[in-house]
Amino acid sequence: QLQLQESGPRLLTPSETLSLTCTVSGGSFSTTFYYWAWIRQPPGKGLEWIGSVSSSGTTYFNPSLKSRVTTSINTSKSQFSLRLTSVTAADTAVYYCSRHVLYIGSYYVFDSWGQGTLLTVSS
Amino acid sequence: QTVVTQEPSFSVSPGGTVTLTCGLSSGSVSPTYYPSWYQQTPGQPPRTLIYSTNTRSSGVPDRFSGSIVGNKAALTITGAQADDESDYYCVLYMGGGSWVFGGGTKLTVL
Repeated sequence: QLQLQESGPRLLTPSETLSLTCTVSGGSFSTTFYYWAWIRQPPGKGLEWIGSVSSSGTTYFNPSLKSRVTTSINTSKSQFSLRLTSVTAADTAVYYCSRHVLYIGSYYVFDSWGQGTLLTVSS
Repeated sequence: QTVVTQEPSFSVSPGGTVTLTCGLSSGSVSPTYYPSWYQQTPGQPPRTLIYSTNTRSSGVPDRFSGSIVGNKAALTITGAQADDESDYYCVLYMGGGSWVFGGGTKLTVL
C-alpha cells in the first residue's frame, strides 16, 4: 500500500523559506502518469493545491503561488520536496503531499495522501 | 480568476439522500473539467471518493456517486450514514496544468 510521509520544520518566522520533503514508499515512484503534489489547508479553512511535479521534472504550479514555489524530486530516494520562499502568517497551514495521477485526456486525481504536517509562521 | 463554488453547508437525515454540487463562478462544469471529490473528517487527510466525474475510487461504497447535474458537478450520497458527516471538497481541472479546489461543503447528518 502506498504511503507518503511529510517532514520539515513546524515553526518558521516571517520572511524565512519553507522546505518540506515527502518520502514515498510501498509503490512505484517513476511511472509516467504519476505526479507528486503539495496541497495545503490553513486552520479551519479549505484545501489549496500548491503544485505538482513528475519524476522527469515536469512541473505545474498554482498561479497564485508560482512566484514563491519550487519543487524538486529525487527518484533514487523516492522523495520530492517543496520550497516556499518569503513565508508570512498567511502560509500557516497543514501541508499535505499527495500522489497526483495525470492520465492525460482520461482522468486526473489526487489518489493517495500523507498525514500532513502543520507549519506555523509566527514572529 | 474563476472560483470553484460549493455549498458551505448541508444537512441530511440518516438514511436520506443528499446531492452536493460543484460549480464555477463563471461558466458550466463539464466532464472536461475532470471533477473529483474528496471527503475529510477533522484531523485527518482527505480521502479520495470520486474522479473523472463518476468513477469511484477503490473501496468507496456505491452509495457515493458522481455526475453532472445541469451546469455543475454533483456528488450524491444515498442512504446517508452517521459517519458520512464530513467536509466534502471538489477539484476541477482548469486547463493549462492548473487544478482548483472548491471551498468545501460541511455535511451534517442529523
